Amino acid sequence: ETGVTQTPRHLVMGMTNKKSLKCEQHLGHNAMYWYKQSAKKPLELMFVYSLEERVENNSVPSRFSPECPNSSHLFLHLHTLQPEDSALYLCASSQAELTGFGNTIYFGEGSWLTVV
Amino acid sequence: ELKVEQNPLFLSMQEGKNYTIYCNYSTTSDRLYWYRQDPGKSLESLFVLLSNGAVKQEGRLMASLDTKARLSTLHITAAVHDLSATYFCAVDDNAGNMLTFGGGTRLMVKP
Repeated sequence: ETGVTQTPRHLVMGMTNKKSLKCEQHLGHNAMYWYKQSAKKPLELMFVYSLEERVENNSVPSRFSPECPNSSHLFLHLHTLQPEDSALYLCASSQAELTGFGNTIYFGEGSWLTVV
Repeated sequence: ELKVEQNPLFLSMQEGKNYTIYCNYSTTSDRLYWYRQDPGKSLESLFVLLSNGAVKQEGRLMASLDTKARLSTLHITAAVHDLSATYFCAVDDNAGNMLTFGGGTRLMVKP
């Protein structure tokens, strides 16, 4: 069982809906991430929260809104999405400080999103 | 901007054969990661390479890093069907915890 859990695993939403993806990590990490994976592109980093500071990829549309209430939880709020936003959204976590083991990122199982 | 390229993107091979996947990156970095992803599953960490000349081995997989050439290889020895998956390399930007991923290599091992 992964130390990073995501819910829901599958989500179908209309373009006018508002929904949220949830991520929880049980690894004691202090950095959390949202990645997007689609058939057309490799893994794309969307957002990073590290030591309670948000680092944002400027190319992410405003219809995606992250929230990190504490170091263990991360949300991705979705509103007025487009069909091209359909993809696998992966949450991940790591230690923000580099250690002798690097800073391996641990991924959740992902949330499959379909926008209709 | 850090760019990471993998070659090949798709690989079909027979069981028992050897092959190498290549990962090139564009800027200075001495931290490289390999991940495995099975269809419909998440990414699983395979190797962490933290210095020039680093070599890690696990079963039939061996990864190495040449930071001067900005190249990492993932060598498969005597492939078996269970190794069929997509393999990603990722490079740390040396500035923190930003990983840039390659496009992935989809490996299919045929009996």
